[in-house]
Amino acid sequence: KNQVEQSPQSLIILEGKNCTLQCNYTVSPFSNLRWYKQDTGRGPVSLTIMTFSENTKSNGRYTATLDADTKQSSLHITASQLSDSASYICVVSEGRNTDKLIFGTGTRLQVFP
Amino acid sequence: EAGVAQSPRYKIIEKRQSVAFWCNPISGHATLYWYQQILGQGPKLLIQFQNNGVVDDSQLPKDRFSAERLKGVDSTLKIQPAKLEDSAVYLCASSLVGPTLSYEQYFGPGTRLTVT
Repeated sequence: KNQVEQSPQSLIILEGKNCTLQCNYTVSPFSNLRWYKQDTGRGPVSLTIMTFSENTKSNGRYTATLDADTKQSSLHITASQLSDSASYICVVSEGRNTDKLIFGTGTRLQVFP
Repeated sequence: EAGVAQSPRYKIIEKRQSVAFWCNPISGHATLYWYQQILGQGPKLLIQFQNNGVVDDSQLPKDRFSAERLKGVDSTLKIQPAKLEDSAVYLCASSLVGPTLSYEQYFGPGTRLTVT
């Protein structure tokens, strides 16, 4: 069964600190992996998209890594800000010619001053 | 560029009532998606349109849910009759159909449905 699992479920950090969120997937065949940020009461917003040939991709203070061999990805947030408080969802695209997305349940990040 | 628009933002209904949600995708986006997001879970695809044709509705509970995308632009999602377990956020998303596989999906703000 195609699944995307994320850890931790929730995380609390202090402003200015770094953190890393994890994603493991069993989706096959694999097309691409995305990280989304979802603020409370809003729809998800894409942070990064990586194909199987990409190992890392950055978007400002967000850096995603992908190991297609072990089927693991991580999202590293540097110098966290209060506005980083949100849910971060790992999403894997299933299939070779499709945009069918398999969503993880997300990591709820809270950044405190 | 205007984003994906959805209305209403919130809706409270009693079980067995009917409800409809509306979505206006980003101009020029051929593909439109409806997702259901239950609290604490990731979104689940209900139906995918390409222009006005259905690409995937395998997870749509067709006995009570219906969706249409007339003229290949706006879309409506209807629930009739609603059940308590339909309480969720209903997200609409759209994307271009491009030459690459990694085309972006843009999400609307969602409609939060509460069934009492």
